Amino acid sequence: DTEVTQTPKHLVMGMTNKKSLKCEQHMGHRAMYWYKQKAKKPPELMFVYSYEKLSINESVPSRFSPECPNSSLLNLHLHALQPEDSALYLCASSRGGKDNEQFFGPGTRLTVL
Amino acid sequence: AQSVAQPEDQVNVAEGNPLTVKCTYSVSGNPYLFWYVQYPNRGLQFLLKYITGDNLVKGSYGFEAEFNKSQTSFHLKKPSALVSDSALYFCAVPGGYQKVTFGTGTKLQVIP
Repeated sequence: DTEVTQTPKHLVMGMTNKKSLKCEQHMGHRAMYWYKQKAKKPPELMFVYSYEKLSINESVPSRFSPECPNSSLLNLHLHALQPEDSALYLCASSRGGKDNEQFFGPGTRLTVL
Repeated sequence: AQSVAQPEDQVNVAEGNPLTVKCTYSVSGNPYLFWYVQYPNRGLQFLLKYITGDNLVKGSYGFEAEFNKSQTSFHLKKPSALVSDSALYFCAVPGGYQKVTFGTGTKLQVIP
C-alpha cells in the first residue's frame, strides 16, 4: 500500500469552529509532514513528525495544533482560524533521509468563512 | 542554502511534441534532486529523482530528467507530450534536516 489518505476532502468552517484534519499511511514511514498550499504555489512546510515526535514547527500560529497518535496517523487540529488560512492542506510521509521521496495525500481543501 | 529555480511559470507544447520543463539548482556537495507533479485538485506525486550515477534518470509516466553538473540543471523531459500531462510540475531539493525546498512550479499546458 503506497497510499496516503486524508479526510475530509473538503471542509468549510467558521472562524469560531474547531475541526480536525486526518491523515493516514501504512507504508511504515517514520516521517510525516503537514503542508499548506495556496493556489499555483509550492507547498509550504508547517510541521514534521519523526518517529511520532514533533521535530519541526515552522513557526506556525497556535491555532494550528498537530498530533501524531501513532506511527500511521497524523492529525491537524484547527481552532479560531482566519479567512487567510483557507488553502489546500497536504499530508505527506517518507522513509526520511535526504535521498527519499515524499508520498503525498490528496489534500483537504479548507475554506474559512 | 540549497535551492532550485524554475525559470518558466508556464510551458505550452503541442500534443505529440517533445516537452522540457526546466530546473536549475544551487546546492553544496552532491545534489539530490526530485521532480513532482500535481494534477488539478490533487496532492503532489513523485516522478523521479537523481541521487548518484547515471545522468539520465527515468521515471513514471514516460518522463525522464537529465542531470547536468556543469550547467547545474535537472530538466524534466518527455519525448511525446500527452494532453493528460497538463499539470503543475515542481522541482525539489532537500533543504535541510527533514525539509524539502520546492521550486516555484511550472504549469505545463499540452495543447490538443
